[in-house]
Amino acid sequence: QSVLTQAPSASGTPGQRVTISCSGSTSNIGTNTLNWYQQLPGAAPKLLIFGNDQRPSGVPDRFSGSKSGTSASLAISGLQSEDEADYYCAVWDDSLNEWMFGGGTKLTVL
Amino acid sequence: QVQLVQSGTEVKKPGSSVKVSCKASGGTFTKYTFIWVRQAPGQGLEWMGRIIPIVGMTNFAQKFQDRVTIAADKTSSTVYMDLSSLKSNDTAVYFCASGYYDVLTGYHRVYFDSWGQGTLLTVSS
Repeated sequence: QSVLTQAPSASGTPGQRVTISCSGSTSNIGTNTLNWYQQLPGAAPKLLIFGNDQRPSGVPDRFSGSKSGTSASLAISGLQSEDEADYYCAVWDDSLNEWMFGGGTKLTVL
Repeated sequence: QVQLVQSGTEVKKPGSSVKVSCKASGGTFTKYTFIWVRQAPGQGLEWMGRIIPIVGMTNFAQKFQDRVTIAADKTSSTVYMDLSSLKSNDTAVYFCASGYYDVLTGYHRVYFDSWGQGTLLTVSS
């Protein structure tokens, strides 16, 4: 069981806005910056959001991140079929001295 | 941003060891930190350990402490992950990833923007 909690699944229709959440604790999300990764089927993970809310170049502005206290969220607006993937939050944990990955949220575009 | 190329598919017997390599190119090797992450079939990402080559520091997930070794060869810009005492539930895809590490801003701000293609390890008798 992961230290970071994510809902196992989420869904939406094309054009909709969906939100994926990630819950942690003071030793990880509460203290350090959080990153989000997107993993398409059969592919390696790809950095989607870093530093809580920063997009790497090439990531559409439909993707946005936020953090409040010990929780964080990834929002995807204008949902597209190619957004169907697994999404993972990740953050360094100061107490465990380990990288923590959330359990992942499988996003289905209906 | 560096490019990472991992070694190929491995098939091992229970009780044996495996060594997976991850060669970096396109950047200054010692400016980066590397992690190893694995993904069992149908499961999520699981962090195994990290290395900061410039200082030679390593940390491992508690569950792998006794079985994993991570090393870096600065001359060939390659990171290695050794996993011993293999069991069938070590069957997974193993990924390396790299992130720029600035000692002034702190390790907790690292993010991993380059990933290897993954190495499939099958452990079976």
